[in-house]
Amino acid sequence: DADVTQTPRNRITKTGKRIMLECSQTKGHDRMYWYRQDPGLGLRLIYYSFDVKDINKGEISDGYSVSRQAQAKFSLSLESAIPNQTALYFCATSDGGTGSSQPQHFGDGTRLSIL
Amino acid sequence: AQSVTQLDSHVSVSEGTPVLLRCNYSSSYSPSLFWYVQHPNKGLQLLLKYTSAATLVKGINGFEAEFKKSETSFHLTKPSAHMSDAAEYFCVVTDSGYSTLTFGKGTMLLVSP
Repeated sequence: DADVTQTPRNRITKTGKRIMLECSQTKGHDRMYWYRQDPGLGLRLIYYSFDVKDINKGEISDGYSVSRQAQAKFSLSLESAIPNQTALYFCATSDGGTGSSQPQHFGDGTRLSIL
Repeated sequence: AQSVTQLDSHVSVSEGTPVLLRCNYSSSYSPSLFWYVQHPNKGLQLLLKYTSAATLVKGINGFEAEFKKSETSFHLTKPSAHMSDAAEYFCVVTDSGYSTLTFGKGTMLLVSP
């Protein structure tokens, strides 16, 4: 089984609909992240959470919200989807650690299309 | 503020020839640097990381990268390309506080027979 699982893997929906993307992890990491990937733009950070009670906005949080339901679960919501939110979305986790930087571990992504 | 620039959006090589993917970074603090690879329809996989130890870092699948502070560069190399290396590669920087990562825009590596 994958260490970082995203559901659904693909979703097509209409403008104005509420969408929730879910992420769960079995790595026991404290830190979780949501990114979106657009062609030619790399990955951009939407929200991140360093523990269950900690939520932080990233570079492009407008139009999105998140919920950290447990250490292992971090969901991303689009309250009213719009076409320019069509993208590939990734969840990632990392160990908080001390001192040296810990790499992030990524799920396989959710491809979201908004018509 | 931190940033990273991948100098080529696409690199094409023949199988068996060397690979060079270029990355320059900007960071106010002592940076940590990573290279990730993304194969089609997959998430990102860590290739290697630099965290202020040895400046020449060896990663998986024969890749390595050299941290050059004077040039603010962290280029990724491999002596001999394999068809399975065809993928998109991302250079990533974070500062010493390690709050968040900043990704480059990616370099697509194409490998021809």
